[in-house]
Amino acid sequence: GAVVSQHPSWVICKSGTSVKIECRSLDFQATTMFWYRQFPKQSLMLMATSNEGSKATYEQGVEKDKFLINHASLTLSTLTVTSAHPEDSSFYICSAKDSQLGSSPLHFGNGTRLTVT
Amino acid sequence: GQNIDQPTEMTATEGAIVQINCTYQTSGFNGLFWYQQHAGEAPTFLSYNVLDGLEEKGRFSSFLSRSKGYSYLLLKELQMKDSASYLCAAMDSNYQLIWGAGTKLIIKP
Repeated sequence: GAVVSQHPSWVICKSGTSVKIECRSLDFQATTMFWYRQFPKQSLMLMATSNEGSKATYEQGVEKDKFLINHASLTLSTLTVTSAHPEDSSFYICSAKDSQLGSSPLHFGNGTRLTVT
Repeated sequence: GQNIDQPTEMTATEGAIVQINCTYQTSGFNGLFWYQQHAGEAPTFLSYNVLDGLEEKGRFSSFLSRSKGYSYLLLKELQMKDSASYLCAAMDSNYQLIWGAGTKLIIKP
């Protein structure tokens, strides 16, 4: 089945540094990928929609200068948390759907647990 | 506006059957998805319905009524490992997923 690889699984960084999270679709092409954030015991919160070859679409309240998204190829999207602060500590999850199929399910990466100290 | 409603929490007994309901309102409709999410992990895909009726897949079944904007996930022969959150999501006319807040299912022995 379709696989989405997300890396790293967890990362600890110091306040003020930047962290890059990668999301790859391994056996399908994804013109669109999605980035979510999830706080403990809460549902997924869509942060942005990543579009291959164009700018990402950010949800209201999400700072695009802080959460940089790059979708340079049909199989890779990256999320960079810039100048991270402790309040950015969270579980970040990416997802992708097969571009060939209109109503295909989203396939999720395993998530990245970010801890900012 | 677009909205998904599902119960916040449900409790069931091991070996029993539980039904998790979901109602939705979206701009257009391209299917209804159910995902399972264990604590600390990413969601995993369970089912997809776009036509009315019941889709059975092992111990899990999913039902859809488009006219009522209603779906349910039916879990049979509950096992302790089924304790998780179950997320309902409807796909709108732009193929964007609208997510419910999830139903936390607690299985008791």
